[in-house]
Amino acid sequence: SYELTQPPSVSVSPGQTASITCSGDKLGDKYACWYQQKPGQSPVLVIYEDSKRPSGIPERFSGSNSGNTATLTISGTQAMDEADYYCQAWVSSTLCEFGGGTKLTVL
Amino acid sequence: EVQLVESGGGLVQPGGSLRLSCAASGFTFSSYEMNWVRQAPGKGLEWVSYTSRSGGTIYDADSVKGRFTISRDNAKNSLYLQMNSLTAEDTAVYYCAREGLGATRYLDLWGRGTLVTVSS
Repeated sequence: SYELTQPPSVSVSPGQTASITCSGDKLGDKYACWYQQKPGQSPVLVIYEDSKRPSGIPERFSGSNSGNTATLTISGTQAMDEADYYCQAWVSSTLCEFGGGTKLTVL
Repeated sequence: EVQLVESGGGLVQPGGSLRLSCAASGFTFSSYEMNWVRQAPGKGLEWVSYTSRSGGTIYDADSVKGRFTISRDNAKNSLYLQMNSLTAEDTAVYYCAREGLGATRYLDLWGRGTLVTVSS
């Protein structure tokens, strides 16, 4: 089976840059996307096709994907960015996988 | 307003069945591939099932294969998940999620979810 591995938690100071990684075998050969989920809310797509931002997502959110690792970067992190973040990829045409999630704390 | 609204969740005994529904509005439902994703209490997201635009192609996660069946009615703008032989491990919030229309696959619209609790 295919696994996507994320760190359970990441901490960042307000205004600094947060990086959340997602690792999987040859993940760079697939397209990764990222979702933000705040407590009690549904997930929201923040990055798709490795690095594209949906309409309405702030420019401080960016993504990259190469080798075995996809990375979500939040520049100038704000308190409102505190949330759980999940990476996701279709590892085959018939199987979708999510990473285990990373809790981002802004302190 | 573009939205997805799930319903049909509730408390069910182990071994029981439940049918979830997802009502789509504000967009051309038949143009989109759809998925179900679940989240156990305090846990991460888990993909459950996929259906093509016509409903003619479906895929399921191994954890639900043979027990859950995804379907859709484009005339009613609705997505369904028939869940049989439920176990405690199926307890979760179930989200319906729309796939984007881009060249790659991603989930660009999610409902608020419906809670399924399997317990005696």
